[in-house]
Amino acid sequence: AQSVTQPDIHITVSEGASLELRCNYSYGATPYLFWYVQSPGQGLQLLLKYFSGDTLVQGIKGFEAEFKRSQSSFNLRKPSVHWSDAAEYFCAVGAGGTSYGKLTFGQGTILTVHP
Amino acid sequence: GAVVSQHPSRVICKSGTSVKIECRSLDFQATTMFWYRQFPKQSLMLMATSNEGSKATYEQGVEKDKFLINHASLTLSTLTVTSAHPEDSSFYICSAPSSGGATDTQYFGPGTRLTVL
Repeated sequence: AQSVTQPDIHITVSEGASLELRCNYSYGATPYLFWYVQSPGQGLQLLLKYFSGDTLVQGIKGFEAEFKRSQSSFNLRKPSVHWSDAAEYFCAVGAGGTSYGKLTFGQGTILTVHP
Repeated sequence: GAVVSQHPSRVICKSGTSVKIECRSLDFQATTMFWYRQFPKQSLMLMATSNEGSKATYEQGVEKDKFLINHASLTLSTLTVTSAHPEDSSFYICSAPSSGGATDTQYFGPGTRLTVL
């Protein structure tokens, strides 16, 4: 069975600082990997996704993530955080075949941004 | 991008009553939709897959008689929590893929906060 681990429950950074949110996954085949952001009162918004090809993926809002098969990781990064980035971030892995569309989510990382 | 709506956004009900939650894809058709629940400070857990024109498939441990799912059309899936109890209080979220491919993006609804008194 697939699983996702986000080791950091809560991260606090200063505005303008760089950010890295960690994600480790367990999956038997090539995974489909996603990062979503959830703001209060809003639905999950897709930041970026990885299916195949270039292991460095660019997303919206200046985010990027790098797929490292050897480390089973898909960490999310942003070079300079803005106060509006404060939210909860979820890493997810998706299956293909008959289970396509089903996502397994990590526990989430709450990001707090100090001015 | 594609939009998925949910109604109601928030519902409070008495123990023993049933509550229906709607999930609509507003600008695309979805033969499949997914229902998740999210407990406070926890992650989203997949409950079931809603299939248009056929029975829903439930994840292990999810009571199908408790959580009734109906996918009445290509744009609407409903989740009915029957005989709700306080332990059913949670945040229920639906999602739908934008088309039929395995690599499609899932679009999520804003969620429904259910509180059972």
